[in-house]
Amino acid sequence: GAGVSQSPSNKVTEKGKDVELRCDPISGHTALYWYRQSLGQGLEFLIYFQGNSAPDKSGLPSDRFSAERTGGSVSTLTIQRTQQEDSAVYLCASVGGRVTDTQYFGPGTRLTVL
Amino acid sequence: DAKTTQPPSMDCAEGRAANLPCNHSTISGNEYVYWYRQIHSQGPQYIIHGLKNNETNEMASLIITEDRKSSTLILPHATLRDTAVYYCIVRVANTDKLIFGTGTRLQVFP
Repeated sequence: GAGVSQSPSNKVTEKGKDVELRCDPISGHTALYWYRQSLGQGLEFLIYFQGNSAPDKSGLPSDRFSAERTGGSVSTLTIQRTQQEDSAVYLCASVGGRVTDTQYFGPGTRLTVL
Repeated sequence: DAKTTQPPSMDCAEGRAANLPCNHSTISGNEYVYWYRQIHSQGPQYIIHGLKNNETNEMASLIITEDRKSSTLILPHATLRDTAVYYCIVRVANTDKLIFGTGTRLQVFP
């Protein structure tokens, strides 16, 4: 079956513009995670969805970052007034639902803020 | 902060076993040890996980010490395609998020 997909694969934007990043999880997966990875760094947790609700938003770096998930499926990560330090690869992962289930990652969106 | 420590890099000859160590001395009794790897420019890929017993699957084996304070991921016959950054992660209890450290960069050479 299809894996996790993300779009766009690459996004170049100017400082101060808003961007939206999309994640399509594996069909039927109830949990969805957003991470980001700066150049040469490990992954940094941003936010976690269980269904449409977000019980853990602790990783969002500022109020310019927000995310939503509708219909228990697609999720959108929005970054307002982008800054150069927002440049990173944004990764999405989905989980089947059990606590110990593994996370399956998408290919990521590479965001470059000029 | 990541609850694991790993060597920053390792080399392994193709066809030989790669043994990647990980220390997690503060692990709690209900926390699992997960291993993921990330090949250049790709999203992380799940390898294996365990609680206290040793585990084996088609990709690798996971050896967890009896006191659970450390573990070793074993790739029995490393290939060039196994060159990647390998992350050892302790799953945070009661949530599913994975806290990634900096991992071990494994270079498999011919």
